[in-house]
Amino acid sequence: DAKTTQPPSMDCAEGRAANLPCNHSTISGNEYVYWYRQIHSQGPQYIIHGLKNNETNEMASLIITEDRKSSTLILPHATLRDTAVYYCIAEMTTDSWGKLQFGAGTQVVVTP
Amino acid sequence: EPEVTQTPSHQVTQMGQEVILRCVPISNHLYFYWYRQILGQKVEFLVSFYNNEISEKSEIFDDQFSVERPDGSNFTLKIRSTKLEDSAMYFCASSDRENNEKLFFGSGTQLSVL
Repeated sequence: DAKTTQPPSMDCAEGRAANLPCNHSTISGNEYVYWYRQIHSQGPQYIIHGLKNNETNEMASLIITEDRKSSTLILPHATLRDTAVYYCIAEMTTDSWGKLQFGAGTQVVVTP
Repeated sequence: EPEVTQTPSHQVTQMGQEVILRCVPISNHLYFYWYRQILGQKVEFLVSFYNNEISEKSEIFDDQFSVERPDGSNFTLKIRSTKLEDSAMYFCASSDRENNEKLFFGSGTQLSVL
C-alpha cells in the first residue's frame, strides 16, 4: 500500500474552507485515496474517496492531482464539530479485505 | 442513519481473564472488522470476517484472539487471556460489499486490563 504524508496539525477559522493536503507520491494505479476522520477517540468516520477524478459529497470535496501524487480534502465551511483528526489513506479495493492503514493523520482544530 | 453498535462502552478486567467484546453491525452488511487503538497511538487493523470465516488478520491477531458471528446479528471479539498491553479502544466496523473500503465504525469499547 502507498504511504501517505500529511501535516501533523492545522488550524481553521469557523466558516472558512479547510484545505487538508496529502502526499502519496508512490501511489499505484489501482489504489484509491480515502479520507476518514476521528472525532475525539470516537470510531473513524468515512468522508470521501476517489481514484482519478475529483469527487464531492455532502461532507467534503476531494481534489486529486492529475499525476495522482497528491490530493486535497476540502471542507467548504468548517464548523466547530469538524475538529478532528483527518486520515488520508491510499488503499486498493481488491484483496485488501478492509485492511485500512491509518497513519498519524492531521489534527484539525476549528476555532470560533 | 443505521449505525454499528458496540457493547459495553467500557470493560475493566484482570490480567489473565477472558473478555468478549460485542458488536451489532449494520443489518444488511456482510463484511465485518475489528480495529484497535492504544491510547495516543494509531488505529490498527486486527481482523476482517466474511462468510463466517476470517478473510485477513494482522500480526496482532494471534492465538489469544478469536472472532465469531454467533447469530444473524452479533459479531464478537474474544480475548482468551488478557494482557496489560491489550488495554485499548476496540472498534468494530462493517461494510456492505466486497472491495468496498467505506467502513462504518462503531463508537468503540474501551478495554482496561489491570
